[in-house]
Amino acid sequence: GQNIDQPTEMTATEGAIVQINCTYQTSGFNGLFWYQQHAGEAPTFLSYNVLDGLEEKGRFSSFLSRSKGYSYLLLKELQMKDSASYLCAVLDSNYQLIWGAGTKLIIKP
Amino acid sequence: GAVVSQHPSRVICKSGTSVKIECRSLDFQATTMFWYRQFPKQSLMLMATSNEGSKATYEQGVEKDKFLINHASLTLSTLTVTSAHPEDSSFYICSARDGREVNEQFFGPGTRLTVL
Repeated sequence: GQNIDQPTEMTATEGAIVQINCTYQTSGFNGLFWYQQHAGEAPTFLSYNVLDGLEEKGRFSSFLSRSKGYSYLLLKELQMKDSASYLCAVLDSNYQLIWGAGTKLIIKP
Repeated sequence: GAVVSQHPSRVICKSGTSVKIECRSLDFQATTMFWYRQFPKQSLMLMATSNEGSKATYEQGVEKDKFLINHASLTLSTLTVTSAHPEDSSFYICSARDGREVNEQFFGPGTRLTVL
């Protein structure tokens, strides 16, 4: 079966750095997405990785290792507004998104 | 980026009534649209995939006669929740995929359905 694992909840301090991990087992791989979702809102796109390595975009970076079935999202200089759920999703061989359950990130002052 | 709209954003209805939710791609042609449901504190659950001009493909456990999906044009898909019950209360989100770029889905803002 297809499976995506990420931690349920994480807590970090404002101004600090946090890394959210995601491991996956899917039938085929056409890329991995990270989305941010605030409570009561739809997900918003953060990043897309299809090749191994690190993609940096401002305060957010995303890393992928296809051989390990592993990705992480790195958030730097955390701000209170970063409190949200972060969803990892993999595009499988049928170009269908397989979703993780999401990681709720709590930022404390 | 591409824009997807949903209407209405919130709806409250009585048990037994039907509710229609519209999903529109505003600046691109969406060959494929997806309907998701999300219960509180849970992740997105794919309900069905619809391709323009053909019948929707429903995920296991989703009743196709209860959740009617119509994808009549390249910019519009509708989800009708028929004979809604309180357990259908949820956050319904659509997403659309541009036919030219299969690797990305663009999400609508979601519709909060409350069935009394």
